[in-house]
Amino acid sequence: EIVLTQSPGTLSLSPGGRATLSCRASHSVTSRFFAWYQQKPGQAPRLLIYATTSRATGIPDRFSGSGSGTDFTLTISRLEPEDFAVYYCHQYYGSPYTFGQGTKLEIK
Amino acid sequence: QVQLVQSRAEVKKPGASVMVSCKASGYTFTNYYIHWERQAPGQGLEWLGLINPSDGSTSYAQEFLGRVTMTRDTSTRTLYMELSSLRSEDTAVYYCARAVGAHSPVDYWGQGTLITVSS
Repeated sequence: EIVLTQSPGTLSLSPGGRATLSCRASHSVTSRFFAWYQQKPGQAPRLLIYATTSRATGIPDRFSGSGSGTDFTLTISRLEPEDFAVYYCHQYYGSPYTFGQGTKLEIK
Repeated sequence: QVQLVQSRAEVKKPGASVMVSCKASGYTFTNYYIHWERQAPGQGLEWLGLINPSDGSTSYAQEFLGRVTMTRDTSTRTLYMELSSLRSEDTAVYYCARAVGAHSPVDYWGQGTLITVSS
């Protein structure tokens, strides 16, 4: 099983700031099979980034993904109030598909 | 528009089984896999498995082998996930979600179904 470890657990920033979220995999993950999701309270997750760097439909360009192998990053530039949520990384190649434990992005 | 509408919340006793349904609309039913995930209260996401609605083939997470069964009814465009031998640790919101392939990201999710296991 590929274990995904996200850091930090909680990130406190102000609107207009820049957020950098990390995800480390226990085994190498092919870039094509790596994604990031955003989840707000009481809602289902929403796909932000897939194939490490591709934005999903309707996702603003302030969201960007990077990385390879075992280290992946989600960057949110110019934080908007609606960006404060929990973010999960996800690999969808090796069974079982796995998620990170989440990073909570909160308003400072 | 794409919709995945799930069944209502249920309360079950330990040892019982539960079946969650997921009715799909707004896209070609057989062109997208359906994944099932769950999220325990205040916790992260956990993948249970997937089904290919085109032929009914399935792939389950090792942890749930023998306890989970995923099926589909193409006539009603409905997917089902049955989980048996329930225990308190199975209390969670269960989601169905679609992906274009077995190794593709999930792009639409159902609204979730809360299953509570309690004596």
